Amino acid sequence: KAGVTQTPRYLIKTRGQQVTLSCSPISGHRSVSWYQQTPGQGLQFLFEYFSETQRNKGNFPGRFSGRQFSNSRSEMNVSTLELGDSALYLCASSLAEWAAETQYFGPGTRLLVL
Amino acid sequence: QKEVEQNSGPLSVPEGAIASLNCTYSDRGSQSFFWYRQYSGKSPELIMFIYSNGDKEDGRFTAQLNKASQYVSLLIRDSQPSDSATYLCAVLGSNYKLTFGKGTLLTVNP
Repeated sequence: KAGVTQTPRYLIKTRGQQVTLSCSPISGHRSVSWYQQTPGQGLQFLFEYFSETQRNKGNFPGRFSGRQFSNSRSEMNVSTLELGDSALYLCASSLAEWAAETQYFGPGTRLLVL
Repeated sequence: QKEVEQNSGPLSVPEGAIASLNCTYSDRGSQSFFWYRQYSGKSPELIMFIYSNGDKEDGRFTAQLNKASQYVSLLIRDSQPSDSATYLCAVLGSNYKLTFGKGTLLTVNP
């Protein structure tokens, strides 16, 4: 069974640009969560989607947004990039919402903002 | 106020010893508790979860939960060099958000 896939794996952007990251969950998983990981703040929850609806959102500015499609694939978008947005962005899928015991992480997208 | 706290380490133990990793949390309504292992340059992988007070054992790993003290721990028996990694404690709070601690770096010395 294929795992969670994320594209692209690496990305370099400049301040002010916007970026879109993609996540394909494990087949059969309907919930997708996004996290930001930095050395200073650790792993922080961004948002969770289930059945194309955002179920929960972390404490991030409105520049961070996402969506989920009918096939459970998800995208997240960051607009007006700032230097502090440089991080590893991790997507995780699970069978159902809040079912963290079934959650698997993808390999991540490493974003560098110059 | 940090919601999930872990000792940052590094924690260094000899091969074959017991490694003890600790985590405290602030949300008394938290429902589920998780331990993830993250190797350098890799994504986190779930190794244990626990919902009820007491101990839960899985192979060399034992998770312990004490809701009254708001404390979760992970014991790794017969530690191996391959256990060297960062261990992340995560808590599903009453707001249904999964909050992670900053992790404890464990080094197992041969």
